[in-house]
Amino acid sequence: EPEVTQTPSHQVTQMGQEVILRCVPISNHLYFYWYRQILGQKVEFLVSFYNNEISEKSEIFDDQFSVERPDGSNFTLKIRSTKLEDSAMYFCASSEQGARGQPQHFGDGTRLSIL
Amino acid sequence: SQQGEEDPQALSIQEGENATMNCSYKTSINNLQWYRQNSGRGLVHLILIRSNEREKHSGRLRVTLDTSKKSSSLLITASRAADTASYFCATEVLTEKLVFGKGTKLTVNP
Repeated sequence: EPEVTQTPSHQVTQMGQEVILRCVPISNHLYFYWYRQILGQKVEFLVSFYNNEISEKSEIFDDQFSVERPDGSNFTLKIRSTKLEDSAMYFCASSEQGARGQPQHFGDGTRLSIL
Repeated sequence: SQQGEEDPQALSIQEGENATMNCSYKTSINNLQWYRQNSGRGLVHLILIRSNEREKHSGRLRVTLDTSKKSSSLLITASRAADTASYFCATEVLTEKLVFGKGTKLTVNP
């Protein structure tokens, strides 16, 4: 069964450094998402992306965050200057076209640790 | 309560028993989805129920939705040790964004 893959599985970064989290969504999916889960807390929506642009973003997704689909397969989340509170599991998800009412398929996540 | 709150927070049962988890939400929804998360893994989609549906089945899973009470339940019948995981409800309101609850941690003892 096709799946969403994320790399790396664990990223350790010094505070203030830039980090790029990578995702390969399911190949025929057109909607892409990033969520994060701080340890012990809820999974929180960050951003959705469709047709090469952001379709919705949360309050968490401030100017330090950006997303990009640099080619036909990858979907990346960049944090420009990381803060301690960015430490979390980051999940990428994708869904088929006509996404409302479609299940979202999640990757196994990248654990980001900011030191 | 916040959108998508599961109850109970933790549930421990014996293999073969049924497990019931509940979810309450505050606003009108397009649909409600249940996801499972094994420790250290991503979220796996289990079942989606639309706002105009009242009940849905998938294998050993049964989901109900009561829009008048703004609540949903997930029943896992004849549980197995492999069902041990955290279970989350997620609501889709106006857009594709999913709003998750804190989850129910289910432990099925062999």
